Amino acid sequence: DAMVIQNPRYQVTQFGKPVTLSCSQTLNHNVMYWYQQKSSQAPKLLFHYYDKDFNNEADTPDNFQSRRPNTSFCFLDIRSPGLGDAAMYLCATSRLTSGSTDTQYFGPGTRLTVL
Amino acid sequence: GDSVTQMEGPVTLSEEAFLTINCTYTATGYPSLFWYVQYPGEGLQLLLKATKADDKGSNKGFEATYRKETTSFHLEKGSVQVSDSAVYFCALSASSNYQLIWGAGTKLIIKP
Repeated sequence: DAMVIQNPRYQVTQFGKPVTLSCSQTLNHNVMYWYQQKSSQAPKLLFHYYDKDFNNEADTPDNFQSRRPNTSFCFLDIRSPGLGDAAMYLCATSRLTSGSTDTQYFGPGTRLTVL
Repeated sequence: GDSVTQMEGPVTLSEEAFLTINCTYTATGYPSLFWYVQYPGEGLQLLLKATKADDKGSNKGFEATYRKETTSFHLEKGSVQVSDSAVYFCALSASSNYQLIWGAGTKLIIKP
């Protein structure tokens, strides 16, 4: 089945120690998103890629970076995690064509714990 | 700007009760509307969607109708089960940039 995969499902890191979360998709979608979600609140969009074009949300901290080496993979790098970065990180994909966008499909998420 | 308002939770019901979770929206243009469900410790799953006025989305016994006249997209289910316990998010796809605008989420608790 076509799907969005996130690894690892659970990640523990130490305060200030860089961490990378990964997302892959078999849907061949051209848009990939990273969201941060805390305590079952609404997800907060960090950034997204439209093909190779990176789009950062204005309030996303510089501590968060992303890479998309190819259509299938996207990475979230947290350069110096703080205690406030402990959250669920969700990857999503969609197909954007001229004038419309398809539904966003989400992965299972990575739960990040910062010690 | 575009926004989504949904009823605050938690909503607690007994098994086999009728469920309504209210969702209203403010948007320019003609957004698509979505309901996502999040089970404990899981990611978000698309539950149903509607892309134009009067469309009815349905899945797993849940239904919602896109009402442009009342700017609403209320989620309903005729008989809930314990397994329906989850957080439900209403969202719209903003016509300006196709980003999802989320409601705050409603936690649903179903008691046997």
